[in-house]
Amino acid sequence: EIVLTQSPGTLSLSPGERATLSCRASQSVSSSYLAWYQQKPGQAPRLLMYGASSRATGIPDRFSGSGSGTDFTLTISRLEPEDFAIYFCQQYGSSLTFGPGTKVDIK
Amino acid sequence: EVQLVQSGAEVKKPGESLKISCKASGYSFTTYWVGWVRQMPGKGLEWMGIIYPGDSNTRYSPSFQGQVTISADKSISTAYLQWSSLKASDTAMYFCARHRCYSSDSCYMDYWGQGTLVTVSS
Repeated sequence: EIVLTQSPGTLSLSPGERATLSCRASQSVSSSYLAWYQQKPGQAPRLLMYGASSRATGIPDRFSGSGSGTDFTLTISRLEPEDFAIYFCQQYGSSLTFGPGTKVDIK
Repeated sequence: EVQLVQSGAEVKKPGESLKISCKASGYSFTTYWVGWVRQMPGKGLEWMGIIYPGDSNTRYSPSFQGQVTISADKSISTAYLQWSSLKASDTAMYFCARHRCYSSDSCYMDYWGQGTLVTVSS
């Protein structure tokens, strides 16, 4: 099973700042089959990115994804108030596993 | 518009059975995998398994194999998650999600239901 590690556990930033979230896999994720989800309190997760760098429908372009192999990054170029949430990565190159999440909260 | 609407919250006792539902609309139910994700209180996401309603082909995470049953009724575009004997440790939020798959175990989730809270307590 591929284990995903996300860092940092919590990221405290102010609106307008840049957020960089890391997702590392215990082994290479084939074909960059890596997705990112956003979850706000009391809500279902929402797909942000798939294939490591493709934005899902309706996702603003301040969200971008990059990486391959074992190292992946989600970047939010300028944080909006609605972006403060928990972010999960998920690999689907070998079965499906989720990372533990990174909480982005307001500094 | 793709929508997945789940059944309401449940409160059950240990040992009881339960079946929760997820009704899909806005797309062809029989041509996408649909599955379930568990989120225990204050915790992360755990993939449970999926079903292809077109032929009822089903895949389970090893962690959930034998613990739950996933089924679907394509005549009413509804997927189900079922327990035969609940435990207190089954207390969690359960989400259904439409899966976009490259193979039966290579999927991401593009649309999610609102979640069903299951509480198991004596």
